[in-house]
Parts: sequence; structure tokens; C-alpha cells
Amino acid sequence: QVQLVESGGGVVQPGRSLRLSCAASGFTFSNNGMHWVRQAPGKGLEWVTVIWYDGSKRYYADSVKGRFTISRDNSKNTLFLQMNSLRAEDTAVYYCARESDSGSPYLDYWGQGTLVTVSS
Amino acid sequence: SYELTQPPSVSVSPGQTARITCSGDALPKKYAYWYQQKSGQAPVLVIYEDSKRPSGIPERLSGSSSGTMATLSISGAQVEDEADYYCYSTDSSGNHRVFGGGTKLTVL
Repeated sequence: QVQLVESGGGVVQPGRSLRLSCAASGFTFSNNGMHWVRQAPGKGLEWVTVIWYDGSKRYYADSVKGRFTISRDNSKNTLFLQMNSLRAEDTAVYYCARESDSGSPYLDYWGQGTLVTVSS
Repeated sequence: SYELTQPPSVSVSPGQTARITCSGDALPKKYAYWYQQKSGQAPVLVIYEDSKRPSGIPERLSGSSSGTMATLSISGAQVEDEADYYCYSTDSSGNHRVFGGGTKLTVL
């Protein structure tokens, strides 16, 4: 069965960096686009970024553009999110999610999330 | 940047029909998708491509779209339907995704 397991969250000071990982299993990872979605405490879902199945294209929300970088290693079935210049407002649970391979751009499987807290 | 607008909350009595709306300028040309999120859990897709239901989703959940507004309807709402519901779509380019602000459904 499809599994997505995030790791790398924790407490980090403002201005510092953090790298999240998402280990994928149960499907052919190189066939699917992958996303990061975040949810601040008590708030709604916010789409963060997407990477094409082959890594050829990446798009970002305005709130993270220029600070966050999404990447993937298809040989290791792993998705990454490099977060630089972190701010208090980046505090959230970060979910990785698989984009459907049906041709329709919805997210069909989600991980359980990893909490990132930006605080001094 | 592109936005989808939802009401913050909807409240119905058990057995009534709940309707949650989502408005966005690109919806006439882009599909809407709906996610249900219960407390402490990851979101679950309940409607895709405006009105299709994934397997395992009860028939009482349905979706529709007209013009710039998509609607999630829950007929005969049950206490177990209490959750936050989010619409999801893409901007006109199809490259950037966006979630609506979410609607808290209360059934009591």
C-alpha cells in the first residue's frame, strides 16, 4: 500500500534552515508529481510547492518562493524540502502528498506530517 | 495570487442537507476538489473533478460546480460528518495549486 513518511521536523530559530524528507513506498515514485502542504496550528491547509515526476518543473506558493526548494531523488524514493530563512509564520505541520497519476491534479495520498516550529 | 473563498462555518441539524460553497475566478475552467479533515488527521479526498466520488465515500456527499462557484453537499448529514472541509483547485495556468480557507461543519 502507498506510504508517505515525513521526517526532519523540529524546533529551529528564526533565520535558520531545516531540511524535511518524505520517504515513499508502495508505488512507483518516479511516476508521480509530489507536493508539500502545510498547516499552521489551528489554521487551514496551505499548498506550498510541487515538483514534477521527473523533477523538470517546480512551482511555489508566493509565501515561500525564494526561501524554500523542493527536490526529489527518484533512485531513493525520497522527496525533500529545503527551508531557508525560516520565519515564525512558517511554523506548521508539513505534509508530503502524492499527486494522482490519473491526469487530474489532485492529491490522493498524504503522509501524517512533521511539525516545524520556528521560535527563538 | 489566486484565492478560493469558503464560508468559515456551516451548521446543520442531523438529517438536514449541508451545503459548503467555494468561489474562485478560475473555477469555470478548472475542476474543484474537496477534502475532509478530522481533528488530528491528514486530509481525505471526498470529491474530485467537481462531482466524482472516490470509492468508499458515502453517496450522501456530492459535488457540483457552476460558473465561479463549486458546492459540496452533504444530504442527511450525520454527526460523523463533522469536520473541516477544504476546496482545492489550480490557478488559470494549472501550475499553482490552492486551497480554500476551509469550512468547519457542525452537525448538532
